[in-house]
Amino acid sequence: NAGVTQTPKFQVLKTGQSMTLQCAQDMNHEYMSWYRQDPGMGLRLIHYSVGAGITDQGEVPNGYNVSRSTTEDFPLRLLSAAPSQTSVYFCASKLLAGVGDTQYFGPGTRLTVL
Amino acid sequence: GDSVTQMEGPVTLSEEAFLTINCTYTATGYPSLFWYVQYPGEGLQLLLKATKADDKGSNKGFEATYRKETTSFHLEKGSVQVSDSAVYFCALSEGGNNDMRFGAGTRLTVKP
Repeated sequence: NAGVTQTPKFQVLKTGQSMTLQCAQDMNHEYMSWYRQDPGMGLRLIHYSVGAGITDQGEVPNGYNVSRSTTEDFPLRLLSAAPSQTSVYFCASKLLAGVGDTQYFGPGTRLTVL
Repeated sequence: GDSVTQMEGPVTLSEEAFLTINCTYTATGYPSLFWYVQYPGEGLQLLLKATKADDKGSNKGFEATYRKETTSFHLEKGSVQVSDSAVYFCALSEGGNNDMRFGAGTRLTVKP
């Protein structure tokens, strides 16, 4: 099992550009999520999905879109990047939605918006 | 809403010193509690967890006990190594879909 994979590892964007951060898991996990990590603030939930075709907003969803067309993939889209979106982004998954269980994290994408 | 508060870092210790990283939480119900570790340039890895009051989670010499009466889940290790240098995150989850909350993280540096 590769676990949770993310691409790219690093990305630099100019303000206003768009891009998609990719996330995939091969563990047949029902629940997937995206977090951003900023200094001194821990991890904050952006969007999550409880299964294919179902997504919902987390704590900080503005400026981001998601979709879940398959169980394995959960891409995060930035439609018009802003400097405030400079951060490290982590994708995570867990076996079942609605259960307080362990989440497994990808290696992260470090995004800089100029 | 639910929240997690960790002791601020950074924490610098000498090898073989005793480690405590404090973590307290607020929650409306009975959450599961976690410690995650993040090594430089990597994602978060589960270090240990506890799912009910008085449970002790342990892994790699680290321990934490779920204390409902003090709403705490302090991380301890009796003798740290240089390889333990990392950022440690305390987290809770009550089982809802939008409910995992992380502390701000504590950076630990262990010097030889």
